[in-house]
Amino acid sequence: ETGVTQTPRHLVMGMTNKKSLKCEQHLGHNAMYWYKQSAKKPLELMFVYSLEERVENNSVPSRFSPECPNSSHLFLHLHTLQPEDSALYLCASSQVGGQPQHFGDGTRLSIL
Amino acid sequence: RKEVEQDPGPFNVPEGATVAFNCTYSNSASQSFFWYRQDCRKEPKLLMSVYSSGNEDGRFTAQLNRASQYISLLIRDSKLSDSATYLCVVMQDSNYQLIWGAGTKLIIKP
Repeated sequence: ETGVTQTPRHLVMGMTNKKSLKCEQHLGHNAMYWYKQSAKKPLELMFVYSLEERVENNSVPSRFSPECPNSSHLFLHLHTLQPEDSALYLCASSQVGGQPQHFGDGTRLSIL
Repeated sequence: RKEVEQDPGPFNVPEGATVAFNCTYSNSASQSFFWYRQDCRKEPKLLMSVYSSGNEDGRFTAQLNRASQYISLLIRDSKLSDSATYLCVVMQDSNYQLIWGAGTKLIIKP
């Protein structure tokens, strides 16, 4: 049990599909994050929401669109992805202010 | 120079041995430091925070050397279950900017 739940665990989609990844945290944290992890590469921070406000967008292509309706939920909307977008997408949460992040199990995404 | 650098390994270590990893960081203003472990095809999990005075949690000891800008992780009496990738993480301010190393792969052999 991680306290951070991601769905789905696995997703296979075509380049023209639209799908959404969901993340929910039960830890009472006030910051949430999306990361991308490709094989043999460091974690890449994609988006950060702090107190439900987006505070970081690390030059992520517009085909990825985050949404944070409240402090417990985070979505990543996917549209017309490319094969190079195949990766493990991890959601994390934390308390703002130097606290460590706690991760969900991730969604393994494959783009056909 | 990468912001956070780790030796990718793999470190092949016999069970029961002691192993140590270092991680260097480039920003002298970095404030918080963590070690995470990540098992194959799983999410990273917090192993321990690293405090200025050094800290120990069972078989694991973490140390910070601000002058030389590195942190270290020492594992004593290594177990087969310690096999994983160990990720060094540096926070550059008190907000949220975590910089991740690429990880050091550790393989414990019987």
